[in-house]
Amino acid sequence: QSVLTQPPSVSAAPGQKVTISCSGSSSDIGTNSVSWYQQLPGTAPKRLIYENNKRPSGIPDRFSGSKSGTSATLDITGLQTGDEADYYCGTWDNSLSAVVLFGGGTKLTVL
Amino acid sequence: QVQLQESGPGLVKPSQTLSLTCTVSGGSISSGTYYWTWIRQPAGKGLEWIGRIYTSGSTSYNPSLRSRLTISIDTSKNQFSLNLSSVTAADTAVYYCTRSPGFDIWGQGTMVTVSS
Repeated sequence: QSVLTQPPSVSAAPGQKVTISCSGSSSDIGTNSVSWYQQLPGTAPKRLIYENNKRPSGIPDRFSGSKSGTSATLDITGLQTGDEADYYCGTWDNSLSAVVLFGGGTKLTVL
Repeated sequence: QVQLQESGPGLVKPSQTLSLTCTVSGGSISSGTYYWTWIRQPAGKGLEWIGRIYTSGSTSYNPSLRSRLTISIDTSKNQFSLNLSSVTAADTAVYYCTRSPGFDIWGQGTMVTVSS
């Protein structure tokens, strides 16, 4: 069972907005920055967001991240069918010798 | 542009050692301040951080795997490697190499099955 908690699935229609949550604790999200990754079927994860809310070059501004306390969220606006993927949050855990933690993943379905 | 590529056997027998290599191309493994990292993903499940190594050879391991794990680096070959001993079916997964901070670049992943 993952230490970071994400909803197993979310869904929305094309063009709509969806929010994916990631809940942790004071020793992980509460202390460290959060990254988000998109994994399309059969491919390696791809970084979408780093340091809570920064987008790498090439990532559309439809993707945005935020963090508050021990939780983080990923917002995706203007949903497209190509956004159907698994999404993972990740951060460091200071209480376990600098271990990286990931959420269990959220399957996004664009209806 | 830097690219990563995993290589190694796709089938390992139980109790044996799983050995994988990640080859870095398009840049030197020794340049920058990167930690070279292994992550795995069992079929249909989430990501698990295995461990990392710095160019100096300094390592950090997931406590759940530490007793069986060795990560090494060969800067002359621009490669880093993973050895996981005494494997069981629970070690069956896709293994990815990546770099941190940021996990900004990933290999395509290699499927390793533990079975007799």
